Amino acid sequence: AQSVTQPDIHITVSEGASLELRCNYSYGATPYLFWYVQSPGQGLQLLLKYFSGDTLVQGIKGFEAEFKRSQSSFNLRKPSVHWSDAAEYFCAVGPRLSGSARQLTFGSGTQLTVLP
Amino acid sequence: DAGVIQSPRHEVTEMGQEVTLRCKPISGHDYLFWYRQTMMRGLELLIYFNNNVPIDDSGMPEDRFSAKMPNASFSTLKIQPSEPRDSAVYFCASSPQGGSTEAFFGQGTRLTVV
Repeated sequence: AQSVTQPDIHITVSEGASLELRCNYSYGATPYLFWYVQSPGQGLQLLLKYFSGDTLVQGIKGFEAEFKRSQSSFNLRKPSVHWSDAAEYFCAVGPRLSGSARQLTFGSGTQLTVLP
Repeated sequence: DAGVIQSPRHEVTEMGQEVTLRCKPISGHDYLFWYRQTMMRGLELLIYFNNNVPIDDSGMPEDRFSAKMPNASFSTLKIQPSEPRDSAVYFCASSPQGGSTEAFFGQGTRLTVV
């Protein structure tokens, strides 16, 4: 069965510092990979996604993620964090188009705190 | 596009009462998902539909939970009778037929059962 592991429950960084959030997945084949962000009281917003091709993908708000097949990882990075980035971040995997299977599997999330 | 619309945003109800959550997916999307988010269990998929037909309801916790999608623009998630352990944020999401498996989420309904 597919699973997503986000080993860091909570990360605290200072504003302006770099950020890396870890994500590892277990899946039968290379899935589609996603990072979502959730601000308090809000729904999930897509930051970026990986389907194929270049393993370094760019997203919104200055985020990027790198897919490493050998490590089954899809870590999220940002070179300089802003206070508005404080939120919860979810990594997710989804099946490549196969029949009607469409459901995403989410990690447990990483809560990001940004210090002034 | 207005995005996925859920109502109500907040619901407080007494144990034993029936609760109905509503969702309007993005127009043209063929997939609709219901997720539940709790501190203990994170985001769990409850059920999803394709072209109004339930595809996988294995995540529905008990017979007290039921979901319907009478047409392409409306879905409901019903809990009857509700229990305090049903307290959670319930998200609806939709996805188009082609392209990626990316899901677009609504703002969620925060349910409190007292």
